[in-house]
Amino acid sequence: DIQMTQSPSSVSASVGDRVTITCRASQGISSWLAWYQQKPGKAPKLLIYAASSLQSGVPSRFSGSGSGTDFTLTISSLQPEDFATYYCQQANSFPFFGGGTKVEIK
Amino acid sequence: EVQLVESGGGLVKPGGSLRLSCAASGFTFSNAWMSWVRQAPGKGLEWVGRIKSKTDGGTTDYAAPVKGRFTISRDDSKNTLYLQMNSLKTEDTAVYYCTTVVGATENAFDIWGQGTMVTVSS
Repeated sequence: DIQMTQSPSSVSASVGDRVTITCRASQGISSWLAWYQQKPGKAPKLLIYAASSLQSGVPSRFSGSGSGTDFTLTISSLQPEDFATYYCQQANSFPFFGGGTKVEIK
Repeated sequence: EVQLVESGGGLVKPGGSLRLSCAASGFTFSNAWMSWVRQAPGKGLEWVGRIKSKTDGGTTDYAAPVKGRFTISRDDSKNTLYLQMNSLKTEDTAVYYCTTVVGATENAFDIWGQGTMVTVSS
């Protein structure tokens, strides 16, 4: 099975900061990679699919990049509503998730 | 409106059974591959398993921790997905979400239910 590893597990940042989260697949998955945002008590929300495609309605400050085994989610200017936990997921064979990255207020 | 609504969660003793349901509306359920994802308290997301559409064979796949204990099924006439959970363990305690792909999102889950809590405890 393909393992998904996210780093860091948590990050402290301020409003306006640029935040980058990385996700590594244990084997190549081309661009079959999705990113989700989850807030406490809520279901996950799809942000990015196919590694770099922005889901409808998601602000353009979110962007994704990468292919093969290494992927990145970037929030260009952190907003108050962006403090949440972010998960990557491989969307190829079995849809396993990474361990999550919690973005906290500095 | 595209919607998934889970039900059936609750408190069950170790070794017991529980069946969760997920009612779908607003999209062609029979064409959808449906998945269950769970989240233990304070932990990350864990894919549990999926069932393909009948046109794609209707087969099921499961994550290793639940294989042999959980069974996913569907009733396309009722637009409903099921998760039969047997031989439950304390580590199965989690919020269980049903989810699927409705839009052109390259297999990424764009529709999620609100989740239903399952607590396995004596």
